[in-house]
Amino acid sequence: EAQVTQNPRYLITVTGKKLTVTCSQNMNHEYMSWYRQDPGLGLRQIYYSMNVEVTDKGDVPEGYKVSRKEKRNFPLILESPSPNQTSLYFCASSIRGHNEQFFGPGTRLTVL
Amino acid sequence: AQSVTQLDSQVPVFEEAPVELRCNYSSSVSVYLFWYVQYPNQGLQLLLKYLSGSTLVKGINGFEAEFNKSQTSFHLRKPSVHISDTAEYFCAVSEKTSGSRLTFGEGTQLTVNP
Repeated sequence: EAQVTQNPRYLITVTGKKLTVTCSQNMNHEYMSWYRQDPGLGLRQIYYSMNVEVTDKGDVPEGYKVSRKEKRNFPLILESPSPNQTSLYFCASSIRGHNEQFFGPGTRLTVL
Repeated sequence: AQSVTQLDSQVPVFEEAPVELRCNYSSSVSVYLFWYVQYPNQGLQLLLKYLSGSTLVKGINGFEAEFNKSQTSFHLRKPSVHISDTAEYFCAVSEKTSGSRLTFGEGTQLTVNP
């Protein structure tokens, strides 16, 4: 089954404790992206990747890192999480950036 | 830079009534347009998309949208809604030239009441 998977689905952590949210897709898509969803703000892009080893900042990259060492994986790293990073995070992939994006199920992160 | 505005944050309707969810966009170049739906506690799934050609686009679950270039709008419509259409709907735009950024609107919560 074609899908985008994210882990973990739910995470509660404390300020400053490094964490990684994994994202994997099995559709051989070139393009992958991370979004955060906050009430009243819609989805805002954090980082995106056009292909392996090619990443770029989205609209709200501060406090996040990404890497794209393999085509199928695009982990999101929070080196020192803060409470304002409490949010619902979605990973997405597509053949190319302007095509239909397929979304993962989301990761709900709470930073205390 | 592109931007999207969804004109209604909440739209309550009764079952079997028609509905229109409004979306305006801003861009200096040609765009691709999308509507996504998010059911409670789920990810987003594509309802429909406009890439080129006919300005009236039909999607899944009986939804359709019309691209109006002069008014820079891409409103979503359904002639008769069901309880199961209760969800949050997002309009999104991507510029044809770059193709690397998908910008979303703030979302419209559609609530269908019996």
